[in-house]
Amino acid sequence: DVKVTQSSRYLVKRTGEKVFLECVQDMDHENMFWYRQDPGLGLRLIYFSYDVKMKEKGDIPEGYSVSREKKERFSLILESASTNQTSMYLCASSLSWGGQAVEETQYFGPGTRLLVL
Amino acid sequence: AQRVTQPEKLLSVFKGAPVELKCNYSYSGSPELFWYVQYSRQRLQLLLRHISRESIKGFTADLNKGETSFHLKKPFAQEEDSAMYYCALRGAGNMLTFGGGTRLMVKP
Repeated sequence: DVKVTQSSRYLVKRTGEKVFLECVQDMDHENMFWYRQDPGLGLRLIYFSYDVKMKEKGDIPEGYSVSREKKERFSLILESASTNQTSMYLCASSLSWGGQAVEETQYFGPGTRLLVL
Repeated sequence: AQRVTQPEKLLSVFKGAPVELKCNYSYSGSPELFWYVQYSRQRLQLLLRHISRESIKGFTADLNKGETSFHLKKPFAQEEDSAMYYCALRGAGNMLTFGGGTRLMVKP
């Protein structure tokens, strides 16, 4: 059973703070993703990583950065938090780009609800 | 560019009634479509994918390339179907593009 965990369920930070959101998966998945989930906007991809130390920008990377030093861990960093980054952040992982649906299915973490004051 | 549209933010039906959650997409290539579901206080999870042509929890979805739609249907809604449903498209770059989501409420 795939397990994707996120370090915090709830976070409250102040404007300008540096924020770290951590995600860990225990199934040796190659791909990891960070989304934010906002009402009416669905899920929007921030960044993804297809290998250790590799990253690609998603649809809304501005104001965010990521780090993947180990295969199982993918961190999302808000360099200087702003109120418009208040959101639910979801991490996901998938096995590979093998072309088979079962390999590409994304498994999601429980989410981190971030409030920036 | 690829885009997924779920025109209804909220859909409310009575238990036992048929339900259809609409999903339209735009993509120039050959898409793969998915439905994800998020029950209250649970994580987002895959419900079904069009290439599997499967029925999960009584739900089915048919890809209609002519109408660029992938509507999710169930003939008899149950209270436990109440959840947030997201349609997603996998197109260029292997990335998923999600729709805005539809909240389904099944009333007793």
